[in-house]
Amino acid sequence: QSALTQPASVSGSPGQSITISCTGTSSDVGAYKYVSWYQQQPHKAPKLMIYHVSNRPSGVSSRFSGSKSGNTASLTISGLQAEDEADYYCSSHIPSSTYVFGTGTKVTVL
Amino acid sequence: QVQLVQSGAEVKKPGASVKVSCEASGYTFTSYVMQWVRQAPGQRPEWMGWIFGDSGNTQYSQSFQGRLTITRDTAARIAYMELGSLTSEDTALYYCAREKAGDAGFDPWGQGTLVTVSS
Repeated sequence: QSALTQPASVSGSPGQSITISCTGTSSDVGAYKYVSWYQQQPHKAPKLMIYHVSNRPSGVSSRFSGSKSGNTASLTISGLQAEDEADYYCSSHIPSSTYVFGTGTKVTVL
Repeated sequence: QVQLVQSGAEVKKPGASVKVSCEASGYTFTSYVMQWVRQAPGQRPEWMGWIFGDSGNTQYSQSFQGRLTITRDTAARIAYMELGSLTSEDTALYYCAREKAGDAGFDPWGQGTLVTVSS
């Protein structure tokens, strides 16, 4: 199973909005609602930010939102803040109850 | 609160096996799936497999077929990940993570266990 494709880096100024894409196929992202997004700060474990394409766990800022169109899922961060600087990974359920992660996107706040 | 605490760092020689533990607290261990994910230095997370706390049913990534075993001790509320025939490419941080009900993502994650494979 190949990794989901994400841009290597995305940057924005404080207060701006940025969007990270996650492109898969009709067998993974396009087939299921089970797309998740994780934020990983340096030397920390990943943190769940979005599940089921567009749902936020309790405690996650409403500045984070998710969507999906066809085989591409997206994570949007609105009102970008310095604390949002991190690596972001998407993940999708794939057949046979297995999972695949994206290639990862480094978000830089300018 | 839900917490996952993993065992400490390991150094292994090529060809050896490693067993990492993940002790769960704050929830009903048998009602959830425990996932295992690893992350090599500077790389993306790589899904390894899962175990259902109640039945002990497992699913493994084909990438580890034959050398990965995930087990659990329900009385102690501990999940284990054992990886055999280690090579230098297995050097990574190994994480356990609880799968939220309804396949709703992995949350929370353990603190990670560094496994270093070196001769």
